[in-house]
Amino acid sequence: EPEVTQTPSHQVTQMGQEVILRCVPISNHLYFYWYRQILGQKVEFLVSFYNNEISEKSEIFDDQFSVERPDGSNFTLKIRSTKLEDSAMYFCASSEARSGGGGNEQFFGPGTRLTVL
Amino acid sequence: DAKTTQPNSMESNEEEPVHLPCNHSTISGTDYIHWYRQLPSQGPEYVIHGLTSNVNNRMASLAIAEDRKSSTLILHRATLRDAAVYYCILRYTGSARQLTFGSGTQLTVLP
Repeated sequence: EPEVTQTPSHQVTQMGQEVILRCVPISNHLYFYWYRQILGQKVEFLVSFYNNEISEKSEIFDDQFSVERPDGSNFTLKIRSTKLEDSAMYFCASSEARSGGGGNEQFFGPGTRLTVL
Repeated sequence: DAKTTQPNSMESNEEEPVHLPCNHSTISGTDYIHWYRQLPSQGPEYVIHGLTSNVNNRMASLAIAEDRKSSTLILHRATLRDAAVYYCILRYTGSARQLTFGSGTQLTVLP
């Protein structure tokens, strides 16, 4: 069964450093998403991406964040200068491009645990 | 997106049915009811969705009230692996928009 994969599973970084989180969405999917979940809190939407551009973004997704689909398979989230409060699980998700029928199911990856020291 | 209300936690015995309720009194006619779950230390996982009629799939059943102001996710025989946080989410029809997660219901399955 196709699945979303994410690397690394755990990333430790120093405050102020740049990190890139990588995701490989399901191959025939065209919508891509990043969410994050701070320990013990809700899953929060960060950004959605379609047709090589950002579709929607939340207030969390400020100028420190960027997303890219550098090739036909990867989808990346970059945090330019990490803060302590960026420590969280980051989940990538993807969905098909069909419309109607209640919206597309999103398929989530296992997450990358980011720890900022 | 319209708001949903779920109990914070529920318990069930293994191999017994579980009924997880969700209230969504401000649902609009174009909102579908989606359920996702999140097992410990994993990403969320799609369970089921529906509009007006009850729905069944290999994972669960979804019972939707006639006035659509509430719904119930039914796990027919709970297993220990079903212990997770279950989220009830409303989504506009045809939408590829983001999912808005609430706090969900933490389901504990007792052996």
